[in-house]
Amino acid sequence: QKEVEQDPGPLSVPEGAIVSLNCTYSNSAFQYFMWYRQYSRKGPELLMYTYSSGNKEDGRFTAQVDKSSKYISLFIRDSQPSDSATYLCAMREYGNTGKLIFGQGTTLQVKP
Amino acid sequence: DGGITQSPKYLFRKEGQNVTLSCEQNLNHDAMYWYRQDPGQGLRLIYYSQIVNDFQKGDIAEGYSVSREKKESFPLTVTSAQKNPTAFYLCASSSREGKANYGYTFGSGTRLTVV
Repeated sequence: QKEVEQDPGPLSVPEGAIVSLNCTYSNSAFQYFMWYRQYSRKGPELLMYTYSSGNKEDGRFTAQVDKSSKYISLFIRDSQPSDSATYLCAMREYGNTGKLIFGQGTTLQVKP
Repeated sequence: DGGITQSPKYLFRKEGQNVTLSCEQNLNHDAMYWYRQDPGQGLRLIYYSQIVNDFQKGDIAEGYSVSREKKESFPLTVTSAQKNPTAFYLCASSSREGKANYGYTFGSGTRLTVV
């Protein structure tokens, strides 16, 4: 079993839809949770970052962490064609190793 | 502007040939990482380095080698021992624990193809 599980999709939605992307994990020591967005043939860019449990909102994006269920989510409101990309969840334990564990990535297509 | 520069963007390798992928950062980050990305497999860690002159193997280090002689540079050599090197290679860096951003900054990647 992988430490981090993420449905690879692809996920196709119409423009304006609310998108929900999810990851589950098995390591209860994970404390830092991130979402990266990767456009085709580009490097991933950090989209959202949360520490421990709770919600964080940034514009149309909301990240949720439920440590009791070992489950994290990224919600995208009013989705746009420019949101079409691969979304990778990532997480790590507390400590100075810095090593992130990535999910497989979910490919999202937002159709106009 | 600070960032990570990977070169070349595209690289073609002949069978039995070693090739080196460049990664340079001017973010003053201590740690640097190399990942391989294949379709449907996400990111797989090849090597990482937390300080100069020190590095550790990741999950798929066989057939690869690295060096970290300078803080800013972390080149990756794909050797002839790597039997299936065709992939997208990503370099990343991060600051140490205790600073504001615990995430990685990624380069734009190098696409390596065996011909």
